[in-house]
Amino acid sequence: SQQGEEDPQALSIQEGENATMNCSYKTSINNLQWYRQNSGRGLVHLILIRSNEREKHSGRLRVTLDTSKKSSSLLITASRAADTASYFCATVLNTGTASKLTFGTGTRLQVTL
Amino acid sequence: EAGVVQSPRYKIIEKKQPVAFWCNPISGHNTLYWYLQNLGQGPELLIRYENEEAVDDSQLPKDRFSAERLKGVDSTLKIQPAELGDSAVYLCASSLDLRGGGEQFFGPGTRLTVL
Repeated sequence: SQQGEEDPQALSIQEGENATMNCSYKTSINNLQWYRQNSGRGLVHLILIRSNEREKHSGRLRVTLDTSKKSSSLLITASRAADTASYFCATVLNTGTASKLTFGTGTRLQVTL
Repeated sequence: EAGVVQSPRYKIIEKKQPVAFWCNPISGHNTLYWYLQNLGQGPELLIRYENEEAVDDSQLPKDRFSAERLKGVDSTLKIQPAELGDSAVYLCASSLDLRGGGEQFFGPGTRLTVL
């Protein structure tokens, strides 16, 4: 079962514009991670934000986390054609002795020239 | 440094046939995961290993799926017999974090088509 839901399901923007993707989840988490998946490829880890953090930056990426609303957002600034991919949020739940990573349904981003 | 290696990349079989996927994780990574990804969906965990031990296989359909990680390094996922609904991408991932909560490194996946 999917823990998170990304919004929008699909997003099309022009190169240079910013892209914002949102993720909502249902239960308390330890951390939340964002991954990128290019067509026909495996997933690549982008950024991890812990439950006690509110914002994190990595290059052109900015992630926010609001645990009271159980939501996160991923902002890609000055997008490039190479950013075209699917983006997934994944939540880590603490379930006693083991942590589990659960992926959302993904946002498909298309960046056009 | 080599990433997670999976083979084959593509497999086409007829229903009721057996199929096996192989994964070699990043050297030194103790935790290994097998995920199933349906078209347009996020990956769903099938099984997680910590070294040789399967610590979470609650989502693995044990009537037809099996997995092993002998010697705590590479792993094999098997389906016998395959059904039409098993058509999907099977992803392998590994991580350093024994608790499973850190960054995971994914292989390119095996795309299975069952006819």
